[in-house]
Amino acid sequence: EPEVTQTPSHQVTQMGQEVILRCVPISNHLYFYWYRQILGQKVEFLVSFYNNEISEKSEIFDDQFSVERPDGSNFTLKIRSTKLEDSAMYFCASSPIWDTQYFGPGTRLTVL
Amino acid sequence: QQQVKQSPQSLIVQKGGIPIINCAYENTAFDYFPWYQQFPGKGPALLIAIRPDVSEKKEGRFTISFNKSAKQFSLHIMDSQPGDSATYFCAASRVGTYKYIFGTGTRLKVLA
Repeated sequence: EPEVTQTPSHQVTQMGQEVILRCVPISNHLYFYWYRQILGQKVEFLVSFYNNEISEKSEIFDDQFSVERPDGSNFTLKIRSTKLEDSAMYFCASSPIWDTQYFGPGTRLTVL
Repeated sequence: QQQVKQSPQSLIVQKGGIPIINCAYENTAFDYFPWYQQFPGKGPALLIAIRPDVSEKKEGRFTISFNKSAKQFSLHIMDSQPGDSATYFCAASRVGTYKYIFGTGTRLKVLA
């Protein structure tokens, strides 16, 4: 069964550094998403991406964040200057149409 | 208006019991309600989803009950097993948007 994959599984970085989280969505899906989950809390929407542009973004997704689909398979989330409060699990998801979203295993980001 | 309230926060049942997890929403524009199961260190996995034109949907041991007038929906797990021990999230979404609003999660423990 096709799955969303994410790399790395764990990323440790220093505050102020840039990080890029990578995702490979399910191949025939058209919609792509990033969510985050701070330890022990609920999953929060960050951004959705369709047809090579951002469809919707939350207030969390400020100018420090950007997304890109650099080729036909990868979908990336970049955080330009990480803060301590960016420490969280970041989940990529994809969907064939707007409704049913399939989540990847996540990347744990630790900002020191 | 954008919140989804989930209860209880945690739940312990004996094997074979029927845990019930409840969610409530305010925004009547929501029209898609998925449930996700999450094991520690893993991404959320879609369990079952419902739209408001039906009052109940069953898939295997998992049943969603939906009460449109009360703006509530519930997940029932029949004949629960220790392997069902996980965190369960409800979510809501609506046509024309590209994000899920997640509930706060319920940590379920099924005792052997």
